[in-house]
Amino acid sequence: SQKIEQNSEALNIQEGKTATLTCNYTNYSPAYLQWYRQDPGRGPVFLLLIRENEKEKRKERLKVTFDTTLKQSLFHITASQPADSATYLCASHTGGFKTIFGAGTRLFVKA
Amino acid sequence: GAGVSQSPRYKVTKRGQDVALRCDPISGHVSLYWYRQALGQGPEFLTYFNYEAQQDKSGLPNDRFSAERPEGSISTLTIQRTEQRDSAMYRCASSLASRSNTGELFFGEGSRLTVL
Repeated sequence: SQKIEQNSEALNIQEGKTATLTCNYTNYSPAYLQWYRQDPGRGPVFLLLIRENEKEKRKERLKVTFDTTLKQSLFHITASQPADSATYLCASHTGGFKTIFGAGTRLFVKA
Repeated sequence: GAGVSQSPRYKVTKRGQDVALRCDPISGHVSLYWYRQALGQGPEFLTYFNYEAQQDKSGLPNDRFSAERPEGSISTLTIQRTEQRDSAMYRCASSLASRSNTGELFFGEGSRLTVL
């Protein structure tokens, strides 16, 4: 079945460093991937979308890459801040009507 | 409204009771999704509407779960004869465009269901 996998272990980094989160997909070839941020007790909030023909997308301190050979997307936050601490979710349309989500990776940025 | 509105925010019910969860999407949004989210997990797809048509219900766990969106706006997710395993956060999301879109999903704050 179509799956999105994210590293379930929390990522702890120091303020000012670059955080890199990984999203891998299996058993399908998504036309695009989305990244969402989710704070505790809140609904996910959309951050970025990258299409399969785009290798890289940037928005302020965020950068997303899409490698169709590795079946992987990387999500980078540069110059990380404690306010970036949250869970980050990778999502994708499966070609039907579903948008499926990974389990998310928790990021902790220490001051 | 300004965002996706869900009600009730919290619902505690006894096993065997029916519950109805409501979602009011952003005005004009064609697509509406229901998800279920367990603690520490990503949202799990339940069902999808395009206007009033339920076009995918493959994620509904069993026939105790049903959803409707009769006028293409407000949607109701109904769980009959609730069981303890139904306890979860139920999230609704809406999107401006329809099937072929790459549109972002706008999520509500969710309805936390607890079945005793």
